[in-house]
Amino acid sequence: EAGVAQSPRYKIIEKRQSVAFWCNPISGHATLYWYQQILGQGPKLLIQFQNNGVVDDSQLPKDRFSAERLKGVDSTLKIQPAKLEDSAVYLCASSLSGQLNTEAFFGQGTRLTVV
Amino acid sequence: GNSVTQMEGPVTLSEEAFLTINCTYTATGYPSLFWYVQYPGEGLQLLLKATKADDKGSNKGFEATYRKETTSFHLEKGSVQVSDSAVYFCALSPGSQGNLIFGKGTKLSVKP
Repeated sequence: EAGVAQSPRYKIIEKRQSVAFWCNPISGHATLYWYQQILGQGPKLLIQFQNNGVVDDSQLPKDRFSAERLKGVDSTLKIQPAKLEDSAVYLCASSLSGQLNTEAFFGQGTRLTVV
Repeated sequence: GNSVTQMEGPVTLSEEAFLTINCTYTATGYPSLFWYVQYPGEGLQLLLKATKADDKGSNKGFEATYRKETTSFHLEKGSVQVSDSAVYFCALSPGSQGNLIFGKGTKLSVKP
């Protein structure tokens, strides 16, 4: 079974530029998550989708971050404009249903450096 | 609010030593508790979980018991191996939506 695919693996941009990350979840997984992991900290949820609808985006900085999952399969996370403090690893995860006891599977992440 | 606190690392042990990584949590209601592991160059993987008080999660020789009275979920292994070297994250899921709240992670290095 293929895992969660993310691209690119690494990205370096200058502040005020824009960047986009792509995630393809495990086939059949209805729930998709984007997490931000700043160096030395644990991952923090940015947004959760159930199929193509948003379940929770309370911690997404909506003035600069946006995410979509138009067909309920793959997803894109965008930052525009980027700030230095956005340097982090962006993790995508998926699960079958998002219910309490279903396991979330994580991709390897995209490491973003903003200079 | 909901939060997870785990012991600071890094932790360095010799092979076959006993491992404990402490984890305590703050949560409203009855969360589920998890340990995730991140091996070098790989993504986060679920190691074990417990969904209610007094449950014991176990996998690959690791164990953790959900202690509601002490709000703890300490990770233990009786004899670590070099291959256990990784970063370990304690996490909780506070509600029915499955989202996770993570601790800061503890890096474990096991020397032969």
